[in-house]
Amino acid sequence: QVQLVESGGGLVKPGGSLRLSCAASGFTFSDYYMSWIRQAPGKGLEWVSYISSSGSTIYYADSVKGRFTISRDNAKNSLYLQMNSLRAEDTAVYYCARAPLGAHIDYWGQGTLVTVSS
Amino acid sequence: QLVLTQSPSASASLGASVKLTCTLSSGHSSYAIAWHQQQPEKGPRYLMKLNSDGSHSKGDGIPDRFSGSSSGAERYLTISSLQSEDEADYYCQTWGTGFRVFGGGTKLTVL
Repeated sequence: QVQLVESGGGLVKPGGSLRLSCAASGFTFSDYYMSWIRQAPGKGLEWVSYISSSGSTIYYADSVKGRFTISRDNAKNSLYLQMNSLRAEDTAVYYCARAPLGAHIDYWGQGTLVTVSS
Repeated sequence: QLVLTQSPSASASLGASVKLTCTLSSGHSSYAIAWHQQQPEKGPRYLMKLNSDGSHSKGDGIPDRFSGSSSGAERYLTISSLQSEDEADYYCQTWGTGFRVFGGGTKLTVL
């Protein structure tokens, strides 16, 4: 069965960095676009970034552009999110998600919590 | 700019039916969407992809009680025979080159 397992969340000070990972299994990872989506405490879902199946196409939400970098390693079935210059407003649960044909999301991970606070 | 609009809340009685709405902004009525459910303290779960013509394809294990339909710029999620576990937040989502968009979510209360 499809599994997406995020890791790497934690407490970080404003201006700091964190790298999230998502381990994928149960499907051919290299066939799918992947996304990161976040959810601030008590708020709705916010798309952060997506990457094409080969990694050649990448887009970011304006709120993270220039600070976050998405990447993938198809040989390791893994998705990453490097987060730099973190701000308090980046505090959220970060979800890894699969997107067939680069369209809708059809599987979600369980999420990893990132807290940015001094 | 493409915006998805959802009512913040809805309620219906146990065993009844409820129809949730997601409205695409002007000029975007041809877009397909996806519906996702988020039960309390859990991660989201994909329910279905819903096309502009009302055709839809559901995710693995999604009960027949969940169905979708479309009319113009409106996309609907109908849940019949409501159960207590249907009490959740429901989000619509759409996509295009360079962007993914979520609606603000509807909190469904089962009375």
